[in-house]
Amino acid sequence: ETGVTQSPTHLIKTRGQQVTLRCSSQSGHNTVSWYQQALGQGPQFIFQYYREEENGRGNFPPRFSGLQFPNYSSELNVNALELDDSALYLCASPSGKTGVSYNEQFFGPGTRLTVL
Amino acid sequence: AQKVTQAQTEISVVEKEDVTLDCVYETRDTTYYLFWYKQPPSGELVFLIRRNSFDEQNEISGRYSWNFQKSTSSFNFTITASQVVDSAVYFCALSEDTGNQFYFGTGTSLTVIP
Repeated sequence: ETGVTQSPTHLIKTRGQQVTLRCSSQSGHNTVSWYQQALGQGPQFIFQYYREEENGRGNFPPRFSGLQFPNYSSELNVNALELDDSALYLCASPSGKTGVSYNEQFFGPGTRLTVL
Repeated sequence: AQKVTQAQTEISVVEKEDVTLDCVYETRDTTYYLFWYKQPPSGELVFLIRRNSFDEQNEISGRYSWNFQKSTSSFNFTITASQVVDSAVYFCALSEDTGNQFYFGTGTSLTVIP
């Protein structure tokens, strides 16, 4: 048990639609990261939120956006869905209170998004 | 360029055999951290180990051991006396002190045959 939960578990959308994925961490850590894992690939960094502000972004277009709330829960929003957005989306929270780079990330179980 | 390379895509071993999963990384930072994660079919990434760049001491935890060699930029993972429950995809990851993201390899799918 990592204490990181995500919802929903599975989701099916059609191309062009919008989707919101949710994440919460029991640790109450003020940093959360989101990753996209395509089938057969390693997770790719989408972005990180720290104290409700975006704090770094990977190579993803602006239609991928996020929010972090005062209770440390987080959302990943994807607009104008494309077929290639089909993937497992993982959120992660670091284990300790010091720098993210130092601490192992605890991952949630993921949301599997299918875009038809 | 890939920061983390796991050249072995799939490995199959018979139960009780030893198996080594390879990981090669690339970074210009002098301070960095290396990780191994296990991903069972359920999908959740399970943390196995963290190593920082200043600690090249090898580590053993039960049937698991890790060999970190800065000279070859490698951080290999060995499972001794493999078991069916070890079947999973294993990811090596790098975190640089100057950044805030993890770079993952493409993973090695391990199948342990009973």
